[in-house]
Amino acid sequence: DVKVTQSSRYLVKRTGEKVFLECVQDMDHENMFWYRQDPGLGLRLIYFSYDVKMKEKGDIPEGYSVSREKKERFSLILESASTNQTSMYLCASSRVTEAFFGQGTRLTVV
Amino acid sequence: GNSVTQMEGPVTLSEEAFLTINCTYTATGYPSLFWYVQYPGEGLQLLLKATKADDKGSNKGFEATYRKETTSFHLEKGSVQVSDSAVYFCALSDQTGYNKLIFGAGTRLAVHP
Repeated sequence: DVKVTQSSRYLVKRTGEKVFLECVQDMDHENMFWYRQDPGLGLRLIYFSYDVKMKEKGDIPEGYSVSREKKERFSLILESASTNQTSMYLCASSRVTEAFFGQGTRLTVV
Repeated sequence: GNSVTQMEGPVTLSEEAFLTINCTYTATGYPSLFWYVQYPGEGLQLLLKATKADDKGSNKGFEATYRKETTSFHLEKGSVQVSDSAVYFCALSDQTGYNKLIFGAGTRLAVHP
């Protein structure tokens, strides 16, 4: 079975902190994605990566950056967390016609 | 640009009722279409998919048909169970080759005994 693992299920951080969300997949997929999920808005794409060290902005990249140093790992970085980044964050990896999601990280910024 | 619109929830049904969740899309070209399901406290799981017009995706009693003429991909199930209570997301895959998914807002389904 494909597995996408996010390092934390729940996180509470303070405003202004630098926050790292980690995601690891075990299926050698080229493409990896970070989405945030908010009620009534569905999932919105923050960033994606199609290869090691390659990244592209999604629809809402402001306030975020990403890192992909190894094929299996894709990190989302909040440079200076703000309360409007309180959300559920979902990582995914994909092959041609199907994306596989992690369990999600519920981040609260106080 | 590409977008997905799905019916607002919550949808509340009794067990064994018929379910329809409407989904329409706007896209250039011929995207692949998906339904994902999110059970409480979990990530998203692929429920079914269709990759070309007139394809029917099916899984666990759920079905959806890719209708190009109406740009729709409505989700149906003939007899829902309490265990089907979840949030359902309609999505399309863009044509860039990266398989970026564009999601609808999600529809919460609550099934009561």
